[in-house]
Amino acid sequence: DAMVIQNPRYQVTQFGKPVTLSCSQTLNHNVMYWYQQKSSQAPKLLFHYYDKDFNNEADTPDNFQSRRPNTSFCFLDIRSPGLGDAAMYLCATSRDAGQGRETQYFGPGTRLLVL
Amino acid sequence: AQSVSQHNHHVILSEAASLELGCNYSYGGTVNLFWYVQYPGQHLQLLLKYFSGDPLVKGIKGFEAEFIKSKFSFNLRKPSVQWSDTAEYFCAVLSSGSARQLTFGSGTQLTVLP
Repeated sequence: DAMVIQNPRYQVTQFGKPVTLSCSQTLNHNVMYWYQQKSSQAPKLLFHYYDKDFNNEADTPDNFQSRRPNTSFCFLDIRSPGLGDAAMYLCATSRDAGQGRETQYFGPGTRLLVL
Repeated sequence: AQSVSQHNHHVILSEAASLELGCNYSYGGTVNLFWYVQYPGQHLQLLLKYFSGDPLVKGIKGFEAEFIKSKFSFNLRKPSVQWSDTAEYFCAVLSSGSARQLTFGSGTQLTVLP
């Protein structure tokens, strides 16, 4: 089945130690997104890639970076995780259908714990 | 900037009760509307979506939603809930002019008692 896959499902890191979360998709979608979801809150968009073009949200901290080496993979790098970065990180994909008529499909998420 | 309001933070119902979850958005232009569901320990799944056409949209698992443009609303309904509908429900809006920013409401936790 076509899907959005996130690895690992749980990630524990130490305060200040760089961590990378990965996302892959078999949907062949050209847009990939990273969201942060804290407990009992709505997902918050960090950034997205439209093909190879990176689009950062204005309020996304510089601590968060992303890479998309090819259509199928996208990575979220947290350079120096703080305690406040503990959250569920969601990857989503969509296909550009024009006029905003895009449906985003979400992966299962990676829960990040910062010690 | 667009925003989405879900007025009910937690709804508790008995099985077979009818459900209506409110969703209002603020954006004056063309919008695309979604309801996602997040079952305990699972990922966000699309319940239904509205792009254009018939404002009454049917989704999976017996859910439906009605887009009322004049009220900026997209309420989710189900005539008879089941215990397995216990989950968190998110309304989301994607404006046609946005830079792909899917704006979510704060979510409604639905608990269905057996």
